[in-house]
Amino acid sequence: ELKVEQNPLFLSMQEGKNYTIYCNYSTTSDRLYWYRQDPGKSLESLFVLLSNGAVKQEGRLMASLDTKARLSTLHITAAVHDLSATYFCAVSSDSNYQLIWGAGTKLIIKP
Amino acid sequence: DAGVTQSPTHLIKTRGQQVTLRCSPKSGHDTVSWYQQALGQGPQFIFQYYEEEERQRGNFPDRFSGHQFPNYSSELNVNALLLGDSALYLCASSLSVGGSVGYEQYFGPGTRLTVT
Repeated sequence: ELKVEQNPLFLSMQEGKNYTIYCNYSTTSDRLYWYRQDPGKSLESLFVLLSNGAVKQEGRLMASLDTKARLSTLHITAAVHDLSATYFCAVSSDSNYQLIWGAGTKLIIKP
Repeated sequence: DAGVTQSPTHLIKTRGQQVTLRCSPKSGHDTVSWYQQALGQGPQFIFQYYEEEERQRGNFPDRFSGHQFPNYSSELNVNALLLGDSALYLCASSLSVGGSVGYEQYFGPGTRLTVT
């Protein structure tokens, strides 16, 4: 059974600091997704990682994938308040029909 | 180009009632997946529709059923509502090529269902 674990589940940090969110998954998968969710809102796609060693960056966010370790990281550089949200990683099932989700990391960035 | 749309935005129902939620996929997409997201949790896969058939189903009881129409829009029906069905219901659309699901998945704004 495919399982996805994120850590930490909650992160409070100061503006300007760097931090990393980790996403581990239990079996092989072709695709790893990172999404952002603001309170009461839907899911906004951030990154899709499709191969070992894939690295994608958008602004202060950078995601990477190590399929051998079954690990993805979302790195936040010089955090700003606007990045406060809950971040989810999700992994596709072997059929790619469904996404299996982590529990989410609630990120609070204090001015 | 409209993205994924869902209706209604919010819904309040009483235990035992039935509810129908609607989703229109992004233009050009033919595959619709439904997810349930309880407060403070990650989404849980309910089922996926492709070519008007349920292609895969998650661990949800038969009270949850769905339909896909020829224009690719979809409905989620929940019968005999329980308090535990209160959640945000999300629809995701994608494009299947040769029967395989494309990697792009776009989510709609969701329907917030409250069961009292």
